[in-house]
Amino acid sequence: DADVTQTPRNRITKTGKRIMLECSQTKGHDRMYWYRQDPGLGLRLIYYSFDVKDINKGEISDGYSVSRQAQAKFSLSLESAIPNQTALYFCATRDGGNEQFFGPGTRLTVL
Amino acid sequence: AQSVAQPEDQVNVAEGNPLTVKCTYSVSGNPYLFWYVQYPNRGLQFLLKYITGDNLVKGSYGFEAEFNKSQTSFHLKKPSALVSDSALYFCAVSPYYTDKLIFGTGTRLQVFP
Repeated sequence: DADVTQTPRNRITKTGKRIMLECSQTKGHDRMYWYRQDPGLGLRLIYYSFDVKDINKGEISDGYSVSRQAQAKFSLSLESAIPNQTALYFCATRDGGNEQFFGPGTRLTVL
Repeated sequence: AQSVAQPEDQVNVAEGNPLTVKCTYSVSGNPYLFWYVQYPNRGLQFLLKYITGDNLVKGSYGFEAEFNKSQTSFHLKKPSALVSDSALYFCAVSPYYTDKLIFGTGTRLQVFP
C-alpha cells in the first residue's frame, strides 16, 4: 500500500549490530503498529502507538524499541540484533473503523 | 486466553470450484473480525470485516465470510475460485475493548487450473 511505506525493504546484518527500520504514512492516522511475521506463526505485535506521546508494548517487545517521531513516522530499532530476529517486519496504521493498513514489509536477516 | 485458530495450513481447490478457508476464535465479548490476504512479496491487504449486523459479510474480489456466534467461527468463502486467488490468508480478531489485532497463523490457498 503506497500510503504506508517502509525502509529498507531488505536488510542483511550481523549479530550485535544496531538496526533501525522506518515507517512513514500519509493516511493521517494516529494509531500505528509494528508486527513481525514468521512462517507458521502468523503476525505478532511488537509495539503500537496511539499518538506521539502514547507508546505501548505488544506481545513480543523484548529486544526491540520504538520511536514515534511524528504522527506520520514510527521507527523500530533492534539495539543488538540476534539471529532469531530474522523475520519479515510490517508496519501498519489504523483508521476509525478498526481496519489496519499495512506497509510492504521489511525482510530482515541477522547472520 | 484470546486466540484465533486457522486449522488448515493449506487449502487446495480447483479453479471454478467453491472455496472455504476456516477460522475460529476465542475472545470474550463481541469481537470485530477481519480477513486479510497476502500475495508474495507484498503486505497484507484488507478483504472484509464483521463488526455487527448481518452475519454474512461481503468483501473484495468476490469473497464473503459468515459470522457464526454459537460456533465462534468466521469462515471465508468464495463461490468460484480463480487461480489468481492463490495467496496466504489471515483471519484476525480485535476484542471490542482494544485497538489490537490478534492474527491466526495463516492458511495458504492454492487454486489449480
